[in-house]
Amino acid sequence: GQNIDQPTEMTATEGAIVQINCTYQTSGFNGLFWYQQHAGEAPTFLSYNVLDGLEEKGRFSSFLSRSKGYSYLLLKELQMKDSASYLCAALDSNYQLIWGAGTKLIIKP
Amino acid sequence: IAGITQAPTSQILAAGRRMTLRCTQDMRHNAMYWYRQDLGLGLRLIHYSNTAGTTGKGEVPDGYSVSRANTDDFPLTLASAVPSQTSVYFCASSDSPSSTDTQYFGPGTRLTVL
Repeated sequence: GQNIDQPTEMTATEGAIVQINCTYQTSGFNGLFWYQQHAGEAPTFLSYNVLDGLEEKGRFSSFLSRSKGYSYLLLKELQMKDSASYLCAALDSNYQLIWGAGTKLIIKP
Repeated sequence: IAGITQAPTSQILAAGRRMTLRCTQDMRHNAMYWYRQDLGLGLRLIHYSNTAGTTGKGEVPDGYSVSRANTDDFPLTLASAVPSQTSVYFCASSDSPSSTDTQYFGPGTRLTVL
């Protein structure tokens, strides 16, 4: 079956760095997305990776290893506004998104 | 530009009643999607539409129906609501189906079925 695993919750300190991991098993693979979702709001796009390696976008970076079925989202210089859930989603061979349950990130001052 | 709008924002519904959740996008996107989001579970696809006039079933389509009469609107109907349909429903759209295009989400509808 198809499956996405990511930690349920993580806690980090303002100004620090945090890495949110995601492993996936899908029938076929056409890339991996990260979305951010603040409580009570809609998910919003953060990043998309289809090739192995690190993509950097400001304070946020996303990494993909296709051979390991693994991705991570790296958040630097954490701010209180980064408190949110981070959703990992893999695009399968039918171009349908398979979503993880999300990682709730709590930022403490 | 509003993007995607959904109505109502929230609704409490008696079991057995019929309910239509509305979704409208102004981005002229071809593909539209309906998801439900439940605590502890990932977003699950209910139905999708690759283009106006066509629809398809997602992972959890039972108890739901959709239509796509035009590009902008993609309503989701619960013919006879049951308590297990209590959830937050998100509508989304993307420029192209079967592609790597980003999906854009509406603000969601929180539905409670009693």
